[in-house]
Amino acid sequence: RKEVEQDPGPFNVPEGATVAFNCTYSNSASQSFFWYRQDCRKEPKLLMSVYSSGNEDGRFTAQLNRASQYISLLIRDSKLSDSATYLCVVRGYSSASKIIFGSGTRLSIRP
Amino acid sequence: GAGVSQSPRYKVTKRGQDVALRCDPISGHVSLYWYRQALGQGPEFLTYFNYEAQQDKSGLPNDRFSAERPEGSISTLTIQRTEQRDSAMYRCASSVLTGKDGYTFGSGTRLTVV
Repeated sequence: RKEVEQDPGPFNVPEGATVAFNCTYSNSASQSFFWYRQDCRKEPKLLMSVYSSGNEDGRFTAQLNRASQYISLLIRDSKLSDSATYLCVVRGYSSASKIIFGSGTRLSIRP
Repeated sequence: GAGVSQSPRYKVTKRGQDVALRCDPISGHVSLYWYRQALGQGPEFLTYFNYEAQQDKSGLPNDRFSAERPEGSISTLTIQRTEQRDSAMYRCASSVLTGKDGYTFGSGTRLTVV
């Protein structure tokens, strides 16, 4: 079983729609969680951290469910510019822990 | 520097040659990570450093791969006796020790082994 798993998609949704995807992780000791966005042939860029209580940044909402070991990303009122691959990132409990990326979920927003 | 700098951007090498890929992290970032990314896949962990100490090298595919960061700043990933299967995008990222602000990636080195 992979340490971090994501549905590869693609998710193809119309502009203005709400879309959500999950990411599951296997290590219950994981402590830090992030969502990254990667555009085609570019480097991954931090979209948002994921906090235990859940957090929102504009149209984006991230949630953490420790009991079921998953994190989620919700995008409201999607824009064409949201088309990208979204990568889930998980890190262990200490500064000596490596960070693991999921394979990414491809999102395509159509006009 | 202002961002994570990787060099070269592109490297084409013949099978059997050694290559060295360089990463210059953001100034003040003590943690440095190496990843390899195939098209359509997420970054695959290779190794990482805190300061000059290599914390985890469990992701290095075999003993042809090695990395160093002798002064806790610039890091070099070396691949000896390259093979075609080593062709990929090699990405470097850096962060503060806690990683609380996330990880900043460089533009990567596209390695092609012919």
